[in-house]
Amino acid sequence: KQEVTQIPAALSVPEGENLVLNCSFTDSAIYNLQWFRQDPGKGLTSLLLIQSSQREQTSGRLNASLDKSSGRSTLYIAASQPGDSATYLCAVTRNGFYFGSGTKLNVKP
Amino acid sequence: KAGVTQTPRYLIKTRGQQVTLSCSPISGHRSVSWYQQTPGQGLQFLFEYFSETQRNKGNFPGRFSGRQFSNSRSEMNVSTLELGDSALYLCASSLHRGESPLHFGNGTRLTVT
Repeated sequence: KQEVTQIPAALSVPEGENLVLNCSFTDSAIYNLQWFRQDPGKGLTSLLLIQSSQREQTSGRLNASLDKSSGRSTLYIAASQPGDSATYLCAVTRNGFYFGSGTKLNVKP
Repeated sequence: KAGVTQTPRYLIKTRGQQVTLSCSPISGHRSVSWYQQTPGQGLQFLFEYFSETQRNKGNFPGRFSGRQFSNSRSEMNVSTLELGDSALYLCASSLHRGESPLHFGNGTRLTVT
């Protein structure tokens, strides 16, 4: 059974700092890995999707990497802003969609 | 382009009743998946539909069921509601199954009393 873990559970940083969120999964036989953000009371917004054959994806200040063999992914956020405050979740896809419990990020002005 | 639409937004039901939730995917998306989100268990996968067929199912009891119609709209049903079924139920759609990003609706908040 696929298990997805995210560390840390919560993170508070001052504005402008670069930061890394971690995601690990137990079964490396995945189709892809996605990163999402969730704002309170809302659904999830897709940030980046990395196919199993890829090593990384970039969108603006976000960069996600995937190391399938070690079962790990990282989400790098450059020059963090207060608007980045949200819960970030990763999910792996194979025979369903399996989510981590998320990292709650607070960026202080 | 309209996003994923879930109705109703809020629902209050009594233990033992049954409930039906609806999801309209983004136009052109044929894959729809459902999730239960609770503070204790996080976001858990319920099932995935593609071309009116259930393709994958999570680890939930048979009280949870779903279906997809020919226009890709989907419904999920929970029978014999329990207090523990209180949760945010989210629906997501994607363009290409297993390859495209998931687009989520804002969910249906179900409270069972």
